[in-house]
Amino acid sequence: GAGVSQSPSNKVTEKGKDVELRCDPISGHTALYWYRQSLGQGLEFLIYFQGNSAPDKSGLPSDRFSAERTGGSVSTLTIQRTQQEDSAVYLCASSPPWSPLHFGNGTRLTVT
Amino acid sequence: SQQGEEDPQALSIQEGENATMNCSYKTSINNLQWYRQNSGRGLVHLILIRSNEREKHSGRLRVTLDTSKKSSSLLITASRAADTASYFCATDADGNNRLAFGKGNQVVVIP
Repeated sequence: GAGVSQSPSNKVTEKGKDVELRCDPISGHTALYWYRQSLGQGLEFLIYFQGNSAPDKSGLPSDRFSAERTGGSVSTLTIQRTQQEDSAVYLCASSPPWSPLHFGNGTRLTVT
Repeated sequence: SQQGEEDPQALSIQEGENATMNCSYKTSINNLQWYRQNSGRGLVHLILIRSNEREKHSGRLRVTLDTSKKSSSLLITASRAADTASYFCATDADGNNRLAFGKGNQVVVIP
């Protein structure tokens, strides 16, 4: 079946602009995660949605970052007033409850 | 907080050899998972080991877990060129499936 889909695959934006990154999880997966991966680094947790519970936003690095998940399915990660340090690959993953994560291929964000 | 931390190795081995990589973590865990990432792709789940397990096998993969030392190892036997990738460990501290990932080990298998 279809895997986790992320769009766009690449995004180049100017410093100060807002960007929206989209994630389509696997159908039926109740959990959705956003991670950030900087060049040659591990994954930095950003935010976690589980079913109808309040999201775990503890990993968001600043108030410029926000995410929502509409209808328990598609999620959008928004970065306002982008900075150069926001340049990274943003990875989305989904999973059934308490199961291993299925990752998308990520969105590579470059802030110039 | 970041828990999983692999030994910062970049392994380069010949096809057919075994590859071993290690991971340490700081707090108690519910389970530990290993993932593989090919260049430019997302991560793929390889194997999960629970805190009450000491060893687990899946095909050519063998994972060990030592909770007293807060460490895990991943062994890939009879490596193939297709095993060339970065390997990450991830820990689930409290069973809510929110994973903390390490920095990853890059493995290059030379044909």
